[in-house]
Amino acid sequence: QKEVEQDPGPLSVPEGAIVSLNCTYSNSAFQYFMWYRQYSRKGPELLMYTYSSGNKEDGRFTAQVDKSSKYISLFIRDSQPSDSATYLCAMKDTNAGKSTFGDGTTLTVKP
Amino acid sequence: GAGVSQTPSNKVTEKGKYVELRCDPISGHTALYWYRQSLGQGPEFLIYFQGTGAADDSGLPNDRFFAVRPEGSVSTLKIQRTERGDSAVYLCASSLYSGGYEQYFGPGTRLTVT
Repeated sequence: QKEVEQDPGPLSVPEGAIVSLNCTYSNSAFQYFMWYRQYSRKGPELLMYTYSSGNKEDGRFTAQVDKSSKYISLFIRDSQPSDSATYLCAMKDTNAGKSTFGDGTTLTVKP
Repeated sequence: GAGVSQTPSNKVTEKGKYVELRCDPISGHTALYWYRQSLGQGPEFLIYFQGTGAADDSGLPNDRFFAVRPEGSVSTLKIQRTERGDSAVYLCASSLYSGGYEQYFGPGTRLTVT
């Protein structure tokens, strides 16, 4: 079983919808929780990060971490066609250099 | 400013050949990472450097894979005796230091082994 499991999708929503993307993990040592966005044939781009548990908001994006359940989420409000991409969750512990990624959820926002 | 660059963008090689993939990190970034991404999967860690030394090479799949960063800047990932299973996108990332969360990725090198 993988250390990080991500809802596979794909996900297709109408413009303006609220999107929920989710990951679970098994490694209790993870302290940094990141969400990356990846467009086709491009490298991942960091969207948001959270340290330890809690919520973090940035514009239309909200990241939530529940360490007790080992569950993280990314919410996108008022989704736009330009949000269409693959979203990757990633995690790392404080002392490790490497990040461990989920397999991504592909989102399509239809106009 | 300039981001992470990788060359070549695409590489097609025959099974059994040797390939080198190059990564130019963001200037001043001390940590450099190599990941491999297969179709439909997330990036899989291979190796990371802090300065010139490999701080963690636990993700290298076998001894056909090797990476160097001789001057603490540019890095080269070397694959010997390539196999069809090595076909993937090889991603490089850099960060200001290794303990942080923020890694900046390059566009990747798409390797196809025929």
